[in-house]
Amino acid sequence: DSGVTQTPKHLITATGQRVTLRCSPRSGDLSVYWYQQSLDQGLQFLIQYYNGEERAKGNILERFSAQQFPDLHSELNLSSLELGDSALYFCASSDGGPGGGQNLHFGNGTRLTVT
Amino acid sequence: AQSVSQHNHHVILSEAASLELGCNYSYGGTVNLFWYVQYPGQHLQLLLKYFSGDPLVKGIKGFEAEFIKSKFSFNLRKPSVQWSDTAEYFCAVVSSGSARQLTFGSGTQLTVLP
Repeated sequence: DSGVTQTPKHLITATGQRVTLRCSPRSGDLSVYWYQQSLDQGLQFLIQYYNGEERAKGNILERFSAQQFPDLHSELNLSSLELGDSALYFCASSDGGPGGGQNLHFGNGTRLTVT
Repeated sequence: AQSVSQHNHHVILSEAASLELGCNYSYGGTVNLFWYVQYPGQHLQLLLKYFSGDPLVKGIKGFEAEFIKSKFSFNLRKPSVQWSDTAEYFCAVVSSGSARQLTFGSGTQLTVLP
């Protein structure tokens, strides 16, 4: 058990809809990262938050947004969903500084299926 | 921008065979290197990491990796694989010039036959 909790485990929704994925980091970790894992794109970094503030953006679409709350949990919002958004979305946390790059502890992921 | 290449997409071995998975990165500066493993249906777990010092790094479950700076490589090795090593293996790199974000390779699926 990595200590990172992601909910829900599975999500099935239709195109055009909006969903919210939730992540609770390990106790004490201030950094939260979101990754998308798909068959064709591999594991892609989406966005990082550190102590409530956005620190880095990767290949995140404008239809996607995220935030980190005062209790350090994070939510990833995906809107206007398309078939190609079907993927496994991982959250990871670390106790490293805002610059990232430290050991990441991954959650079990949320499998999103868009039909 | 930094990138990571894992040339072996799928490797199939018999138990007790030796393993070497290739990983090459493209960045000329200081790097930190990682290998993660993802067992079927599970989350990614850290196998080993290299930050500095001895370029031969030993990790969990008998895995090791060697950082060869001149070759921009960080290959993963295990002398004798077990059926339980069946998983997907990801190499990852963080460089000083990338806002220190972890970039993953495309992964190598290892299947060990009993």
